[in-house]
Amino acid sequence: QKEVEQNSGPLSVPEGAIASLNCTYSDRGSQSFFWYRQYSGKSPELIMFIYSNGDKEDGRFTAQLNKASQYVSLLIRDSQPSDSATYLCAVNRWGGGNKLTFGTGTQLKVEL
Amino acid sequence: DVKVTQSSRYLVKRTGEKVFLECVQDMDHENMFWYRQDPGLGLRLIYFSYDVKMKEKGDIPEGYSVSREKKERFSLILESASTNQTSMYLCASSLRTDRGREQYFGPGTRLTVT
Repeated sequence: QKEVEQNSGPLSVPEGAIASLNCTYSDRGSQSFFWYRQYSGKSPELIMFIYSNGDKEDGRFTAQLNKASQYVSLLIRDSQPSDSATYLCAVNRWGGGNKLTFGTGTQLKVEL
Repeated sequence: DVKVTQSSRYLVKRTGEKVFLECVQDMDHENMFWYRQDPGLGLRLIYFSYDVKMKEKGDIPEGYSVSREKKERFSLILESASTNQTSMYLCASSLRTDRGREQYFGPGTRLTVT
């Protein structure tokens, strides 16, 4: 079992719809969860982080964390073509200092 | 704003050459990281440094070494480049805390070894 799992996609959504990206992790001790966006040929860019169970909203983005079920998700409201990118989920490694484990990413395509 | 810079965006080297990749951050972060990113394999940690002159092996350290002589600078060294080290190399930095904190990435160096 991979430590951080994401569906590779592509996930296609129409413009204006809600995109839902999911991530599961295996280490029950993980405390910090991050979502990054990566455009083709570019480096990952932090979108948001979440530490506590529940929802955290930032503009059109909402991160959701459920530690009991070991999943974290990212919702993108009013999806735009500029949101088309690969989204990486990252989780801190319990007992691993400040290292993060990254998922392989979900490719999102927002269609006109 | 955190700024992480890398010495080159594109680099072409020959098999057997010694290769230096440099990374500089301007936010006084204690932690610095080197990753490589390959299609289908995601981001893999090569080395990690949590302080000047301190380093820790990541998941795939073989064939690489690092140097951190100053807090803001972290260098990745390929002692003898091989074709299987052709990849995108990403440097990142973060604050050091008791839990993982967000990492900020440089623009990346696409290295081709021929």
